[in-house]
Amino acid sequence: DTAVSQTPKYLVTQMGNDKSIKCEQNLGHDTMYWYKQDSKKFLKIMFSYNNKELIINETVPNRFSPKSPDKAHLNLHINSLELGDSAVYFCASSLNPGQGSIRYTFGSGTRLTVV
Amino acid sequence: SQKIEQNSEALNIQEGKTATLTCNYTNYSPAYLQWYRQDPGRGPVFLLLIRENEKEKRKERLKVTFDTTLKQSLFHITASQPADSATYLCATSVGGNTPLVFGKGTRLSVIA
Repeated sequence: DTAVSQTPKYLVTQMGNDKSIKCEQNLGHDTMYWYKQDSKKFLKIMFSYNNKELIINETVPNRFSPKSPDKAHLNLHINSLELGDSAVYFCASSLNPGQGSIRYTFGSGTRLTVV
Repeated sequence: SQKIEQNSEALNIQEGKTATLTCNYTNYSPAYLQWYRQDPGRGPVFLLLIRENEKEKRKERLKVTFDTTLKQSLFHITASQPADSATYLCATSVGGNTPLVFGKGTRLSVIA
């Protein structure tokens, strides 16, 4: 059973399109995250979300929006895609820090290519 | 804001030797540091967590240290094997519910 699963694994799309990446976790975790890993392999936080709080990295353009239909899912919606959005996007989940173990479990990533 | 620095982008080491990777943090001492392993085309995988009040943590061939005076964590792999070749990431949080901040990683290559 995959703990954190993302779909699709690869996404090639044209500039200006709107796309979504889905993420699901079956670990019973309370908090989910989206990270962006650029061509230099730097992993940068975009959002963290639990059912009480959304923390947004202030550098993320508002074309990016997280959508959480329930505790096990956190999808990433991107409007008006730009060339610079090309990267690998990782979903992750964890328990809340106050619950002790704060290790993150990552999905295998979605490679987005904007042409 | 807290910054995590892994100054070595790449490290090559001979099989059987001990690999030592460095993670430095700026500003205040974090409550904990974490180490992850990332293989090409995969997401990071959690390896070890060391808390502020722990000097050392071990797991099989892995050892992590935390030196609050030097503002540094060292990650050691003893008796390294080619299968240990991967990128190793250091991470921490400023606390509360704020998410993990990662270093840029060190790409380790163990040569047979």
